[in-house]
Amino acid sequence: NAGVTQTPKFQVLKTGQSMTLQCAQDMNHEYMSWYRQDPGMGLRLIHYSVGAGITDQGEVPNGYNVSRSTTEDFPLRLLSAAPSQTSVYFCASSNVPPGQGVRDTQYFGPGTRLTVL
Amino acid sequence: KNQVEQSPQSLIILEGKNCTLQCNYTVSPFSNLRWYKQDTGRGPVSLTIMTFSENTKSNGRYTATLDADTKQSSLHITASQLSDSASYICVVSPLGGKLIFGQGTELSVKP
Repeated sequence: NAGVTQTPKFQVLKTGQSMTLQCAQDMNHEYMSWYRQDPGMGLRLIHYSVGAGITDQGEVPNGYNVSRSTTEDFPLRLLSAAPSQTSVYFCASSNVPPGQGVRDTQYFGPGTRLTVL
Repeated sequence: KNQVEQSPQSLIILEGKNCTLQCNYTVSPFSNLRWYKQDTGRGPVSLTIMTFSENTKSNGRYTATLDADTKQSSLHITASQLSDSASYICVVSPLGGKLIFGQGTELSVKP
């Protein structure tokens, strides 16, 4: 099992460029989430999905789009990158709603470090 | 407002020493509390999960405690090792709600 994989590991963009951060999991988990992590702040939820074809907004969704065409993949799209989107992005998956299972946990990918100039 | 606050922000200890990290929360209604370890350049990894009725949970040299009345949790690390150098994140789940992450405590273990 590879768990949760993310690509690329590092990316530098210019303001206004678009790109897609890839996330895949091989654990057949229904629930997948995207977070951003900024210095001095806790992880913040961008978007999440409760199954293929179903997505919803988290705490900080502006400037990001997601889709979930398969159980395995959950890409995050930056439509027009801004310096405020400079951050480390984590994808996570779980087989119960994140935080609601006490026997199961959320598995995180290794992260993508994005810099927007 | 649901919040999770951790202290200290950073901590330096010598190898072999013990340390305790603190987490205070104002989340209500409370479902469970988790501690995660995040190594540099990696994603968070779960250490412990505690529900309302659990006061303590151990995972090797890591022991988490929970006081649901005062809404405080601590993570105690015994006989620290260099590999314990990491960020430790407290995460609280409101009942039926989304996870609320603390900002983390950066622990550095020196030889």
